Amino acid sequence: QKEVEQNSGPLSVPEGAIASLNCTYSDRGSQSFFWYRQYSGKSPELIMFIYSNGDKEDGRFTAQLNKASQYVSLLIRDSQPSDSATYLCAVSYTGTASKLTFGTGTRLQVTL
Amino acid sequence: EADIYQTPRYLVIGTGKKITLECSQTMGHDKMYWYQQDPGMELHLIHYSYGVNSTEKGDLSSESTVSRIRTEHFPLTLESARPSHTSQYLCASSSTRQEPRTFGSGTRLTVV
Repeated sequence: QKEVEQNSGPLSVPEGAIASLNCTYSDRGSQSFFWYRQYSGKSPELIMFIYSNGDKEDGRFTAQLNKASQYVSLLIRDSQPSDSATYLCAVSYTGTASKLTFGTGTRLQVTL
Repeated sequence: EADIYQTPRYLVIGTGKKITLECSQTMGHDKMYWYQQDPGMELHLIHYSYGVNSTEKGDLSSESTVSRIRTEHFPLTLESARPSHTSQYLCASSSTRQEPRTFGSGTRLTVV
């Protein structure tokens, strides 16, 4: 059973701080890793993806991948109230093509 | 501005009824997906399509069918609705990448 685990939160951070969201996965055969943001009552939107070990930066967002330890993280710098949402981690596995496995998401609250 | 459209936005229907959830995209994407999401839970893949006349089952497909006769259209049909089908149904699409890039606004289905 391929699993993706996330702490459901809520993770509360003050405005301007760094929010760190973590995701672990069970299968070492995983290939690609994705972060989606989902506002309450809205659909998910893809914000980051990473395929190889290390860091990938896009604006205030940084995705970190450690395949040996089987975790992927999303860092949000200078957190804003508009970042308050649920962040979904998703993983695709070798040979499964379009079949992403999603975590249940971490709810982030950025406080003023 | 969403380029992928789902109708209806909300639907309440009686047990045993046949229903079709509509999904259309104007981006010319080859890949389209149907996901099911309950509140606070992960997305589960129901069906996906690589292109016209190409469909594959996901994890929760046994009680529904899809068709892909045109690139832009990917309807989902439940032959006999049951209360266990009550959920949010999300349609998504992507171009060359494997992962779903753009989601529609969803159809919230309630079966009574």
